[in-house]
Amino acid sequence: DIQMTQSPSTLSAFVGDRVTITCRASQSISRWLAWYQQKPGKAPNLLIYKASRLESGVPSRFSGSGSGTEFTLTISSLQPDDFATYYCQQYNSYRTFGQGTKVEIK
Amino acid sequence: QLQLQESGPGLVKPSETLSLTCTVSGGSISTYSWTWIRQTPGKGLEWIGYIYNGGSTNYNPSLKSRVTISVDTSKNQFSLKLSSVTAADTAVYYCAREGVGESFYDYWGQGTLVTVSS
Repeated sequence: DIQMTQSPSTLSAFVGDRVTITCRASQSISRWLAWYQQKPGKAPNLLIYKASRLESGVPSRFSGSGSGTEFTLTISSLQPDDFATYYCQQYNSYRTFGQGTKVEIK
Repeated sequence: QLQLQESGPGLVKPSETLSLTCTVSGGSISTYSWTWIRQTPGKGLEWIGYIYNGGSTNYNPSLKSRVTISVDTSKNQFSLKLSSVTAADTAVYYCAREGVGESFYDYWGQGTLVTVSS
C-alpha cells in the first residue's frame, strides 16, 4: 500500500496569508496526485490533478507542485472561502488519501 | 451538468449487507469509471473500488473479500454491496466519477451516512 502523509494536520492563518500544505508518499507516485478541498457536510471538491494541473473553475490562487514522493499545495493569498480541510490523493497504485489538513482562521 | 446521487438504507444491522445505489444524471454511465469512497472520522477518506468498461471492477485489497460493485446501464446507475458489516463500516459513503484517463475524482455525490448498529 502507498501511504500518504500530510503536514501539518492543522494550520492557523490570516486572510491574505500565503499557505503551503505538504503531502509525502511512502514510495514514488510520479505526478499522479490530486488535491481536494472539503467543507463540513459536503463532498470533497477537486482543485488540482496530475500534481500541478488546475481543475477548471478553480481560482488561480491555488497551485500544486512536486513529483516522486513530495508534493505541495499552495494558496497564494488565503480568502475567507478557503477555510476548509484539504486532502491529497495518489492514483499511481490503487488510490489512497492523506489524512487531511484543516485550515483555520487565526 | 453531471450529477450523482446516492440512495439506500441509513441503518444496517451488524453482519448484514450494506447496499447503496448511485444514480447518474446529465451524462451517460457507459463511459468513464465510477467509484465508491467512504469517509470516517477515524480513517478519513478510503477508496472502496470502481467499475469501468461496463462491468470490469477493481477493489481496495483491504475490502475486496466483502465488496461487490455492479452497474445497470439501462437505469444509469451503479451499486455497492458490502457484506458482513460491523460498526467499523459506519461512514459517509460517496459515489464519484473518475476523471478522463486519470484516477482523480471530478464529480461527487453529496454522500450518504450509513450507520451499522443493532
